[in-house]
Amino acid sequence: DAGVTQSPTHLIKTRGQQVTLRCSPKSGHDTVSWYQQALGQGPQFIFQYYEEEERQRGNFPDRFSGHQFPNYSSELNVNALLLGDSALYLCASSQGANEQFFGPGTRLTVL
Amino acid sequence: QQQVKQSPQSLIVQKGGISIINCAYENTAFDYFPWYQQFPGKGPALLIAIRPDVSEKKEGRFTISFNKSAKQFSLHIMDSQPGDSATYFCAVRPVSQNFVFGPGTRLSVLP
Repeated sequence: DAGVTQSPTHLIKTRGQQVTLRCSPKSGHDTVSWYQQALGQGPQFIFQYYEEEERQRGNFPDRFSGHQFPNYSSELNVNALLLGDSALYLCASSQGANEQFFGPGTRLTVL
Repeated sequence: QQQVKQSPQSLIVQKGGISIINCAYENTAFDYFPWYQQFPGKGPALLIAIRPDVSEKKEGRFTISFNKSAKQFSLHIMDSQPGDSATYFCAVRPVSQNFVFGPGTRLSVLP
């Protein structure tokens, strides 16, 4: 079992650009959650997808959007990037509301 | 958003010593209290978790102590090893909602 995988590992963008991050959940998991982790801080919940729908959302602007595909993989899209969007973006998968397993993250740098 | 306070911010322990990290939360119904371990460049990994109907849970060298009336729970690492050097996050899960993480504690175990 490969566990939760994320791509790309690192990404550098400039202000105003758009970015798409990808996540493949652990085998057997149907729920994907996305978190933003700023340097030196704990992860902050962005949103969660289940059955291809956004089920819960944290306190993030509409610039952050997502999608879940029929194979349970997911994408996180961020539009109009700001310097403050620079962070480690973590994907976590679970079987319903059970414990979450995190991927290694995508390090996004906005210049 | 619910606040989760974690202390200390950083901790230095000698090899073989006991590491203690504390977490406090606000007055809301939660149903799950995990501790995550994160190494540099990696995503958080579930270390140990407890539910509110239990006051203590032990797994190997790791113990969670839970004080429901004080709204606090702690992580104890017995016989701390240099390989335990990492950042530790407590989290709480409000019923039917997603996780809220603490700010993290950086643990250094000296050889």
